[in-house]
Amino acid sequence: AQSVTQLGSHVSVSEGALVLLRCNYSSSVPPYLFWYVQYPNQGLQLLLKYTSAATLVKGINGFEAEFKKSETSFHLTKPSAHMSDAAEYFCAVRELRETDSWGKFQFGAGTQVVVTP
Amino acid sequence: DSGVTQTPKHLITATGQRVTLRCSPRSGDLSVYWYQQSLDQGLQFLIQYYNGEERAKGNILERFSAQQFPDLHSELNLSSLELGDSALYFCASQRGGTLASTDTQYFGPGTRLTVL
Repeated sequence: AQSVTQLGSHVSVSEGALVLLRCNYSSSVPPYLFWYVQYPNQGLQLLLKYTSAATLVKGINGFEAEFKKSETSFHLTKPSAHMSDAAEYFCAVRELRETDSWGKFQFGAGTQVVVTP
Repeated sequence: DSGVTQTPKHLITATGQRVTLRCSPRSGDLSVYWYQQSLDQGLQFLIQYYNGEERAKGNILERFSAQQFPDLHSELNLSSLELGDSALYFCASQRGGTLASTDTQYFGPGTRLTVL
């Protein structure tokens, strides 16, 4: 069974500082991994996804994430935080199975990012 | 604006009742996903439809059901409502929908359900 753990329900970062959001997954088969962002009173927006190609994935808004199989991690980073990055971030996993190319999603609990001036 | 529409925006009802939430996907998108977001359980994937057929099932209760119609809009039916069903229900649409799909899911604004 798949699962996702996001370390830290709240992260506070200074404007201009590195943003690091941690995500660890558990999956019995090769996973597809996603990071989503949710701004207040809005739906989710895909930041980036790993689909078994390059392990370093670049997304929108300057975010990137690295898939590390040995560590079962998919941490999200951004070199320099901007005030507009204040939002909730969700990591998600979707399993690829030979008999089922559809795969259900499993989301982490989310990490709320606060950016301070 | 993602191009995905959901109605109604807000819904207040009583325990034991039944409600229907509606989602219209972006033009050309064949997949519709349903999600539930609550403080207690976080974000949960409920179900995915592709071109009218159920394709993936998540943590959807037996009291809940969904369908996707020939015009590709989808409805999520929630019955025998309980207080714990109060949540934000999102739908998302995607051109494809398999794991091999490289296209993106686009989320609607959500329907906030309050069960009193």
